[in-house]
Amino acid sequence: GAGVSQSPRYKVAKRGQDVALRCDPISGHVSLFWYQQALGQGPEFLTYFQNEAQLDKSGLPSDRFFAERPEGSVSTLKIQRTQQEDSAVYLCASSLARGRNSGANVLTFGAGSRLTVL
Amino acid sequence: QKEVEQNSGPLSVPEGAIASLNCTYSDRGSQSFFWYRQYSGKSPELIMFIYSNGDKEDGRFTAQLNKASQYVSLLIRDSQPSDSATYLCASRRSTGNQFYFGTGTSLTVIP
Repeated sequence: GAGVSQSPRYKVAKRGQDVALRCDPISGHVSLFWYQQALGQGPEFLTYFQNEAQLDKSGLPSDRFFAERPEGSVSTLKIQRTQQEDSAVYLCASSLARGRNSGANVLTFGAGSRLTVL
Repeated sequence: QKEVEQNSGPLSVPEGAIASLNCTYSDRGSQSFFWYRQYSGKSPELIMFIYSNGDKEDGRFTAQLNKASQYVSLLIRDSQPSDSATYLCASRRSTGNQFYFGTGTSLTVIP
């Protein structure tokens, strides 16, 4: 696609519910990243994939968070038993990942999914 | 210690002035650095990237990198009210491909 597409744009969940957030990266982009952005803060790294391989999940805040990218394109971030502190905007970004210091290895962000846990 | 540190501001400058935004990073091996602009309620959008010591200019924007001091800055010349936004500094880790962001600096350009 022309850009990174995320859905849903807005999600309200009751505490304890499970949620799934979807990211469809730019076609051909090898790397895919998930970030969590709380109000007034910068994006915090959660996890990243290169194709279907999850190379780093060190930023996932607890074992309630799980991400997958089974076919190397669309990714899903799942949050189980949501808590109020999970309320944030979840940003997905993708990059071509060609050449470490090239203009192709920059992040392009989607519009984000705003999660509110009541 | 966060990988990237920024002064959260807020920073206010009059229209037409130069805005100077700064950040420091902790991973001495980091090679690539990025400035993103984020308008309220929107996602970050790339302004510039830099990976060589010195200055890199693009229109009204100049990014500066000093690897010895682990310091990155962004200068915005002839600031416009439309430049009012939060500016995020990011680095890419020396090992792996992770990108880390600072907390952002809020800039207001006063007409």
